[in-house]
Amino acid sequence: EAQVTQNPRYLITVTGKKLTVTCSQNMNHEYMSWYRQDPGLGLRQIYYSMNVEVTDKGDVPEGYKVSRKEKRNFPLILESPSPNQTSLYFCASSLFHGTGAINYGYTFGSGTRLTVV
Amino acid sequence: AQKITQTQPGMFVQEKEAVTLDCTYDTSDQSYGLFWYKQPSSGEMIFLIYQGSYDEQNATEGRYSLNFQKARKSANLVISASQLGDSAMYFCAMREGSGGSQGNLIFGKGTKLSVKP
Repeated sequence: EAQVTQNPRYLITVTGKKLTVTCSQNMNHEYMSWYRQDPGLGLRQIYYSMNVEVTDKGDVPEGYKVSRKEKRNFPLILESPSPNQTSLYFCASSLFHGTGAINYGYTFGSGTRLTVV
Repeated sequence: AQKITQTQPGMFVQEKEAVTLDCTYDTSDQSYGLFWYKQPSSGEMIFLIYQGSYDEQNATEGRYSLNFQKARKSANLVISASQLGDSAMYFCAMREGSGGSQGNLIFGKGTKLSVKP
């Protein structure tokens, strides 16, 4: 089954304790992205990657890191989580990016509910 | 400036009636795609319908149709014969064709739809 797999689904952690949210897709998609969703703000992009070893900042990158060493994986790293990073996080992928990609939506993972206390 | 505007934070509709969820967008691109996603209380993002900027006919998918008015830059979602299972958050999104960061999927803040029995 074609899918984007995020882990964990739920995570409660303490301020300052480094964590990684994993994301893996099995569709050979070039493009991957991370979003956070907060009430009243919709989905805001954190980072995206157009291909292996190519990553770029989205709208809210502060406090996050990503890497794209393999095409299928795009982990989100919080080096020192803070309570304002409590949110619902989504990983998404798309066949490709750029001109001509307008008719390609994103396939989303199931989401990760992160609470930082 | 917001690129995707959903002016209805919340809406109610009677079961079996039709409902329209509003979405306006802002872009200078001639080539773009418009998407609607549904997010039930379980949290996952479910793709509903897509409309390309060059499509002359309004998109339809089962009970969902997209009322695309290009000159007005609006892409309203119409749900016919509402069902209790339609109660969810609905997001309008746009993907521009110019590539780079502008090729990312940009979301509105969402409309919460509640279907009354």
